[in-house]
Amino acid sequence: GEDVEQSLFLSVREGDSSVINCTYTDSSSTYLYWYKQEPGAGLQLLTYIFSNMDMKQDQRLTVLLNKKDKHLSLRIADTQTGDSAIYFCAEKASDSWGKLQFGAGTQVVVTP
Amino acid sequence: GAGVSQSPSNKVTEKGKDVELRCDPISGHTALYWYRQSLGQGLEFLIYFQGNSAPDKSGLPSDRFSAERTGGSVSTLTIQRTQQEDSAVYLCASSSRQFSTGANVLTFGAGSRLTVL
Repeated sequence: GEDVEQSLFLSVREGDSSVINCTYTDSSSTYLYWYKQEPGAGLQLLTYIFSNMDMKQDQRLTVLLNKKDKHLSLRIADTQTGDSAIYFCAEKASDSWGKLQFGAGTQVVVTP
Repeated sequence: GAGVSQSPSNKVTEKGKDVELRCDPISGHTALYWYRQSLGQGLEFLIYFQGNSAPDKSGLPSDRFSAERTGGSVSTLTIQRTQQEDSAVYLCASSSRQFSTGANVLTFGAGSRLTVL
């Protein structure tokens, strides 16, 4: 079955690194995504990783994928107050025409 | 358009009334998706369109929910005889496949917040 799980809340001090974790169950997932949602807004794509990769870096963002454990993480370096938002992990299965299965989201609060 | 546009942004209705929510996708995006986001919940898939047809309606919660898409562009999600449990943010997304990577990237609208009293 398809199930994506994330912790619900993370508090981090400004300037520290944030690590948001996600686990998924569908071993056929081809792409895994991180989206960000700010209050009152839709979801904004942050980054995605293909399942044959184990790491992807994009400026302050680092995505790590452990396919064996079906574990995905997003690390945000030098976290800023503007990073406060809900972060969603999502997977796309190989047999899916494009539908993404989302987790419940992790609320990240950045404190000064 | 430049982004996915949804209207209304907020809708308050009485239990039992019908509501229509509209989505205008990014020009040229053939795929369109409706998701529902309830308080404290993740995103629940509702329906997917490829062009004007809906090959996957598996997420529609009941027969009170329906959606259509015309001209391969604008989509309308209709909820008949609304119930309080229908209160949620309804998000629309459209997508294009990134030919360089094969990834399917969904671009979301800001959502329509529905409150059923």
